[in-house]
Amino acid sequence: GEDVEQSLFLSVREGDSSVINCTYTDSSSTYLYWYKQEPGAGLQLLTYIFSNMDMKQDQRLTVLLNKKDKHLSLRIADTQTGDSAIYFCAAPFSGNTGKLIFGQGTTLQVKP
Amino acid sequence: GAVVSQHPSRVICKSGTSVKIECRSLDFQATTMFWYRQFPKQSLMLMATSNEGSKATYEQGVEKDKFLINHASLTLSTLTVTSAHPEDSSFYICSARDQLKGAGELFFGEGSRLTVL
Repeated sequence: GEDVEQSLFLSVREGDSSVINCTYTDSSSTYLYWYKQEPGAGLQLLTYIFSNMDMKQDQRLTVLLNKKDKHLSLRIADTQTGDSAIYFCAAPFSGNTGKLIFGQGTTLQVKP
Repeated sequence: GAVVSQHPSRVICKSGTSVKIECRSLDFQATTMFWYRQFPKQSLMLMATSNEGSKATYEQGVEKDKFLINHASLTLSTLTVTSAHPEDSSFYICSARDQLKGAGELFFGEGSRLTVL
């Protein structure tokens, strides 16, 4: 089955770029997702990328997908203190059912 | 604003009682919703798939008699934790997909934190 891995922690200074990395195992994954979770809150859908794309940009967020290496990254430009949160990468269990398997989550710490 | 809403956001109950958590899709109909569980400082684990008009599909290791799921309408799924025990204390989150907007639009609720005393 699918397995999703992420690094656990990233610390950056305010104004710098943050890059959060994720690897997955199922090459048939159709969509790959990035979610943000603030303390005590649910998950906020940040962005997603379809597997036939290499890159997707949405304001300060850039997602890069390397299908050959099964590697996904989320870049946050001009990182702000409000970006401090846990970021989850997620991939479908199989097919396009809506069932997701999540990485462990990357805690992003933004220092002023 | 939120497109998937959960209620209650926090609930505290005594051991042995049952607790119901609601998940609603606000702006769209969802024939399928998903329930996840999250332990402190851990990732989300899929518990079950809630199917409108039919039985829920549970993931391996999830007790269907403990976690009752009912998907009574196209906008509402409920998760009932029966005879709750302290080990059931957790953060429960649901998700739903707006299929009219494409498979990428997969949204989560705000979560419901259950504490069993």
